[in-house]
Amino acid sequence: SQTIHQWPATLVQPVGSPLSLECTVEGTSNPNLYWYRQAAGRGLQLLFYSVGIGQISSEVPQNLSASRPQDRQFILSSKKLLLSDSGFYLCAWSIYRDSLSYNEQFFGPGTRLTVL
Amino acid sequence: AQSVTQLGSHVSVSEGALVLLRCNYSSSVPPYLFWYVQYPNQGLQLLLKYTTGATLVKGINGFEAEFKKSETSFHLTKPSAHMSDAAEYFCAVRGPYSGAGSYQLTFGKGTKLSVIP
Repeated sequence: SQTIHQWPATLVQPVGSPLSLECTVEGTSNPNLYWYRQAAGRGLQLLFYSVGIGQISSEVPQNLSASRPQDRQFILSSKKLLLSDSGFYLCAWSIYRDSLSYNEQFFGPGTRLTVL
Repeated sequence: AQSVTQLGSHVSVSEGALVLLRCNYSSSVPPYLFWYVQYPNQGLQLLLKYTTGATLVKGINGFEAEFKKSETSFHLTKPSAHMSDAAEYFCAVRGPYSGAGSYQLTFGKGTKLSVIP
């Protein structure tokens, strides 16, 4: 069966510090990968998605970036964190197999980031 | 383009009462629809999905949802609320297209369900 891991679970960082959040998926190959952010009272915001190694699409211009160095690894980074980067970061995966794929997404446990 | 509207950011029900969470969608193609649940400080968990076929779909934890094309709705229900149902619920529709045969999901803003003992 498939599992998705995110780490760290919680993180407290000062303004201006760098960030690296990691997401890995097990039990599947060539997944689509997604990074979302939940800020208080603001629902789910799609940040980045990737349909393959090295292929990253950005949904929202900001000081964050994403990379996919391996098939089942997705990394969210920042060179300098802002207060507004605080939130709950979720990684998700989905699979496209054929035209009948439903594209439902499966989410990781999330990382709570607090920027002080 | 796709969009999802969840009516009511907060819903409170008494334990044992009917749960009804409303979702209306807009989609330029036949929709695939999903409900997710999120417990505090956890990721989202898929409750149920509608793709094609039977319009009443059953999910986990006793929840079900009915697809009504004429009303562009996909409301989530449960006959009798339990304290453990207290969580945030998100409705989603498949789309837009991501490329390579894949689609994103467009989520509603969520409805927080409180269950009163």
